[in-house]
Amino acid sequence: GAVVSQHPSRVICKSGTSVKIECRSLDFQATTMFWYRQFPKQSLMLMATSNEGSKATYEQGVEKDKFLINHASLTLSTLTVTSAHPEDSSFYICSASLGQGVLIRGLFFGSGTQLSVL
Amino acid sequence: AQTVTQSQPEMSVQEAETVTLSCTYDTSESDYYLFWYKQPPSRQMILVIRQEAYKQQNATENRFSVNFQKAAKSFSLKISDSQLGDAAMYFCAHSIYQGGSEKLVFGKGTKLTVNP
Repeated sequence: GAVVSQHPSRVICKSGTSVKIECRSLDFQATTMFWYRQFPKQSLMLMATSNEGSKATYEQGVEKDKFLINHASLTLSTLTVTSAHPEDSSFYICSASLGQGVLIRGLFFGSGTQLSVL
Repeated sequence: AQTVTQSQPEMSVQEAETVTLSCTYDTSESDYYLFWYKQPPSRQMILVIRQEAYKQQNATENRFSVNFQKAAKSFSLKISDSQLGDAAMYFCAHSIYQGGSEKLVFGKGTKLTVNP
């Protein structure tokens, strides 16, 4: 149980284009999902908290208009990198938690998306 | 500020031996959760073990156990009978309640090498 699916696993795009990344909880309902960014050999940096049916909460320094998050259902959250530029190249990881008390059982992570912007 | 410190950027261990990864954290909250995650070369984050701060008993999951010292805000991970498959980045994390929502704060990680 607690499987989180993330697609695509790798995407290469031209500068100026938009890229959408999907995150699905396959066997449970996730009212809250989290989007992280990870630079090579570094830790995970929380970008935003995605709440089903409401606006995402962004961390300080994360551009809301650049990283659009939609959590339209209890099993799907999407991250769209708009007008991507080479500095947006990174490894993006989504995660979800089980049940009540968001973090009681920890977070379960998708397999990540490596974004390369040319 | 809520922080997690992993003072060992890299560690190595011989196969079948025991290794301990250290983690300290800073929090003003009384109730929280602590976690160790493993990130192998595939980069898939895998939950290794969790600890509830209000429980004094140290958590154990097969070959993985923790030494939780709440007063010292220390949460080390012990891996017994190390296996080649244990080689990975290990991240310590604790839960915080900030800005109206719960989230995890991660340390910078420890790269564990297992030597045959």
